[in-house]
Amino acid sequence: GQSLEQPSEVTAVEGAIVQINCTYQTSGFYGLSWYQQHDGGAPTFLSYNALDGLEETGRFSSFLSRSDSYGYLLLQELQMKDSASYFCVTRMDSSYKLIFGSGTRLLVRP
Amino acid sequence: EPEVTQTPSHQVTQMGQEVILRCVPISNHLYFYWYRQILGQKVEFLVSFYNNEISEKSEIFDDQFSVERPDGSNFTLKIRSTKLEDSAMYFCASSLEGASGGQETQYFGPGTRLLVL
Repeated sequence: GQSLEQPSEVTAVEGAIVQINCTYQTSGFYGLSWYQQHDGGAPTFLSYNALDGLEETGRFSSFLSRSDSYGYLLLQELQMKDSASYFCVTRMDSSYKLIFGSGTRLLVRP
Repeated sequence: EPEVTQTPSHQVTQMGQEVILRCVPISNHLYFYWYRQILGQKVEFLVSFYNNEISEKSEIFDDQFSVERPDGSNFTLKIRSTKLEDSAMYFCASSLEGASGGQETQYFGPGTRLLVL
């Protein structure tokens, strides 16, 4: 089967940097994505790593190491509006379905 | 910016009743999906739909569920004889491409919160 593990909660201060880790066990791994979900809202795509290395999109960066079955999402210059749940997501090759991790609830404090 | 829309935003029903959840995917997208999220849990895949047929479904998507694209814009999820455990947020999503390769972003709608009493 497939599984993606994340810490359940992370707390950080406004303006700081936070890293949300994700370890996975999947067969036919096909890249790692990150989605953000505010309470009561829809999951929103943030980033995707097909290959090892770092992808940067504004304040958000995502990293993947296939050899370690590990990735992380890095959020810089945290803002209060970044308080949300963050999911690492993957899918198997030739499969349509997204497989969501357990989710990390980020709380940004003033 | 185009977005996926869903109606209703909330639905309350009695156990055993049928419900239909509606979605309007992004207009030029070809692949459509339903996911659900039980309160406090992760998002789970239900079904994908392409070219007017189911392309993949999960073990959750049993005979109680069906999907349909009744016209050129709507995509529906029907749940027959609802059970208490069907209470969840149901998300519709769409993508331009499917699983052919590359990264095809799935865009999610705002969800329908279903409560079965």
